[in-house]
Amino acid sequence: KAGVTQTPRYLIKTRGQQVTLSCSPISGHRSVSWYQQTPGQGLQFLFEYFSETQRNKGNFPGRFSGRQFSNSRSEMNVSTLELGDSALYLCASSSWTGTYEQYFGPGTRLTVT
Amino acid sequence: GQQLNQSPQSMFIQEGEDVSMNCTSSSIFNTWLWYKQDPGEGPVLLIALYKAGELTSNGRLTAQFGITRKDSFLNISASIPSDVGIYFCAGPGTYKYIFGTGTRLKVLA
Repeated sequence: KAGVTQTPRYLIKTRGQQVTLSCSPISGHRSVSWYQQTPGQGLQFLFEYFSETQRNKGNFPGRFSGRQFSNSRSEMNVSTLELGDSALYLCASSSWTGTYEQYFGPGTRLTVT
Repeated sequence: GQQLNQSPQSMFIQEGEDVSMNCTSSSIFNTWLWYKQDPGEGPVLLIALYKAGELTSNGRLTAQFGITRKDSFLNISASIPSDVGIYFCAGPGTYKYIFGTGTRLKVLA
């Protein structure tokens, strides 16, 4: 079974631009969560989608948005990038049915200059 | 809100030593997850705990619930250099997972 995939792996953007990151969950998983990780900040929860519905959202500004498609693939978008948005963005998938194991993708390293 | 505290925050150990770390919560979890993260990579799920009172193993790793189910322990036996990394505990909340602050493990060869 293929794992969680994220594209692109690395990205360099300029302040003020916007960016879209993509995540494909493990086959059969309907839940996709996004996290931001910066040095010393741990894993900060962005949002969770299940069957195309956002069920939970973390404490991030509205510049951060996401969506999930009918095939469970998910995208997150960050508009008007700021230097502080430089981070490792992680996507994770889980089934939330019966088992609660969550599996992470390799992450997208975003650098904002 | 819920939060998980991990201890120690970091530790240096000699290769071959056994390692123990723990995670405590302000509330009960019926499931505990333990992850390891290498620099620049996504966390890898090591062990999922579902049954209190039982040890769950994955090679040299062993994990278990604490008595109150508000805590969990991860043990690594005979550590090797590739055990270096950050270990996170996590538990399922309401449509999100709660993560611990991490234990950074450094192994001295």
